[in-house]
Amino acid sequence: QVQLVQSGAAVKKPGASVKVSCKVSGYTFSIYAIHWVRQAPGQRLEWMGWINTDNDHTKYSQKFQGRVTITRDTSASTAYMELSSLRSEDTAVYYCARGPSFDSWGQGTLVTVSS
Amino acid sequence: SYVLTQPPSVSVAPGKTARITCGGNSIGSESVHWYQQKPGQAPVLVIYYDSDRPSGIPERFSGSNSGNTATLTISRVEAGDEAGYYCQVWHSSGDHVFGGGTKLTVL
Repeated sequence: QVQLVQSGAAVKKPGASVKVSCKVSGYTFSIYAIHWVRQAPGQRLEWMGWINTDNDHTKYSQKFQGRVTITRDTSASTAYMELSSLRSEDTAVYYCARGPSFDSWGQGTLVTVSS
Repeated sequence: SYVLTQPPSVSVAPGKTARITCGGNSIGSESVHWYQQKPGQAPVLVIYYDSDRPSGIPERFSGSNSGNTATLTISRVEAGDEAGYYCQVWHSSGDHVFGGGTKLTVL
């Protein structure tokens, strides 16, 4: 069955970067895009960007442009999301999801930004 | 930027019908997806492309989209349907946008 398994929780200091991984199984990695969505405590879902896992094309939400980088390793069936210049407001659960209709999601990765 | 508006909460008695709306400018010309999210869990797709149901989602869940409003309808509501529900569109700008979410309470 389709599975997206994310890396574990992380605690970072303000100004640092975090890189979250999303390893997929149960289907051919390059057929479906991978999106990244985050959810701050008690807040709405927020789309960050996506990667075309076939041709490596990316598109980012304007809100995160310049701070987020989404990459993939086809040989490892894994997508990555790196967020830099972290601040306390970036404390959230980060999810990967399979495009185009987000029909499968990772379990989520809690990133805590605290001094 | 494109904005999707949902009511913060909807309450319904068991066995009745719940309707959750998602408002957006000419949303009827976009494709809308709906997700169910229970506390501490990842979202689950319940309706895609306005009205299609993924396998495993009960027929009690249905969707419609026209004009400036998309609607998720849950018939014969059960206690297990209590959750947050989010609408989402892939706007023509290229961005994916989520609504603010609606908490469904089963009385």
